[in-house]
Amino acid sequence: GQQLNQSPQSMFIQEGEDVSMNCTSSSIFNTWLWYKQDPGEGPVLLIALYKAGELTSNGRLTAQFGITRKDSFLNISASIPSDVGIYFCAGQKGGSEKLVFGKGTKLTVNP
Amino acid sequence: NAGVTQTPKFQVLKTGQSMTLQCAQDMNHNSMYWYRQDPGMGLRLIYYSASEGTTDKGEVPNGYNVSRLNKREFSLRLESAAPSQTSVYFCASRKTGLETQYFGPGTRLLVL
Repeated sequence: GQQLNQSPQSMFIQEGEDVSMNCTSSSIFNTWLWYKQDPGEGPVLLIALYKAGELTSNGRLTAQFGITRKDSFLNISASIPSDVGIYFCAGQKGGSEKLVFGKGTKLTVNP
Repeated sequence: NAGVTQTPKFQVLKTGQSMTLQCAQDMNHNSMYWYRQDPGMGLRLIYYSASEGTTDKGEVPNGYNVSRLNKREFSLRLESAAPSQTSVYFCASRKTGLETQYFGPGTRLLVL
């Protein structure tokens, strides 16, 4: 099946640091989504991106839809302990019922 | 408005036993999905239903069946559980025309 390459797989950072993660694909997507999964919970949508080049913020989170439509980036500024969790990117092609998910980036924040 | 609910939260089965995982949504969404999540594998689609009365296979359908009972409910059945089906199962729903899928809290299944 289709794959999204999400990196890094895991990150260990100190509270207050900024974080960057990204997803790349060999094919074009019309929509990029970023989800966060807290331990023991289901994924929750953070940011949705609908247009190439779009830059969208949600508090300390900023995500960008790559110009080529084959990649997306998520940045977290001034991390705090509650940012701990797994972050997933997901892409959707136009007209498709399905999302393609990356394998996730596991974030650990040390106080 | 509870969103997406799943039952049970936890289940332990012996190899060969059967069980049905239940999912319901109260958002009047047309599309519903079943995923499994394994360490290092991300979320993999098992089956989905674009509308009431229709179901389609996803990436990993073998060993599973689904039923879209009505618009609200979408169940996942394991007829003869195998240890390889030990996983966390998530149900999700989506409103037609929007890309965002909303996830339930998950069912943690252990097959011995």
